[in-house]
Amino acid sequence: DADVTQTPRNRITKTGKRIMLECSQTKGHDRMYWYRQDPGLGLRLIYYSFDVKDINKGEISDGYSVSRQAQAKFSLSLESAIPNQTALYFCATSGGTTYNEQFFGPGTRLTVL
Amino acid sequence: GIQVEQSPPDLILQEGANSTLRCNFSDSVNNLQWFHQNPWGQLINLFYIPSGTKQNGRLSATTVATERYSLLYISSSQTTDSGVYFCAVASGGSNYKLTFGKGTLLTVNP
Repeated sequence: DADVTQTPRNRITKTGKRIMLECSQTKGHDRMYWYRQDPGLGLRLIYYSFDVKDINKGEISDGYSVSRQAQAKFSLSLESAIPNQTALYFCATSGGTTYNEQFFGPGTRLTVL
Repeated sequence: GIQVEQSPPDLILQEGANSTLRCNFSDSVNNLQWFHQNPWGQLINLFYIPSGTKQNGRLSATTVATERYSLLYISSSQTTDSGVYFCAVASGGSNYKLTFGKGTLLTVNP
């Protein structure tokens, strides 16, 4: 069973629509992260959370919001999607034995038309 | 912020060959990870190696923190090694904020 899961895995939506990406983890980690990856580039941090009550903006948070519903669940919302938000989105967790080591989910491929 | 440069950007090998991928970074780090992104887009953890040397099967990695670089060695490469290899680092009090390099695209031909 996957330790970090993301739903949906693929999504096509239209400009202006609200969309939510969900992440769940069974690793028991307290820290969770959302990244986006654009073609030919590495990943960039959108938001991160150290626990349910501690949420922080990352490098590129404009146009996104998040919710940490529980220790194991962290969702990313695009309130009004725009085409340049087309990207591969990854959720990650950390907080295990090697505390800072991050583990990634399988990714969500989002296309905004 | 910290800068991460990976080289080479592209690498083509025949199956069975060895290779070395390099990651240079601009500041001292307290977190360094190597990842393999397979052709399906999944990110696979290879090494958590802010310093020292580790080995896992045909792969090994060395980080020389004082000289601000890390090396990933792949021996006896296989076609399944194809994909993009990313180095990601974090520094200072923000040891959770990973900054990714642009990656090395490895193609292993049969």
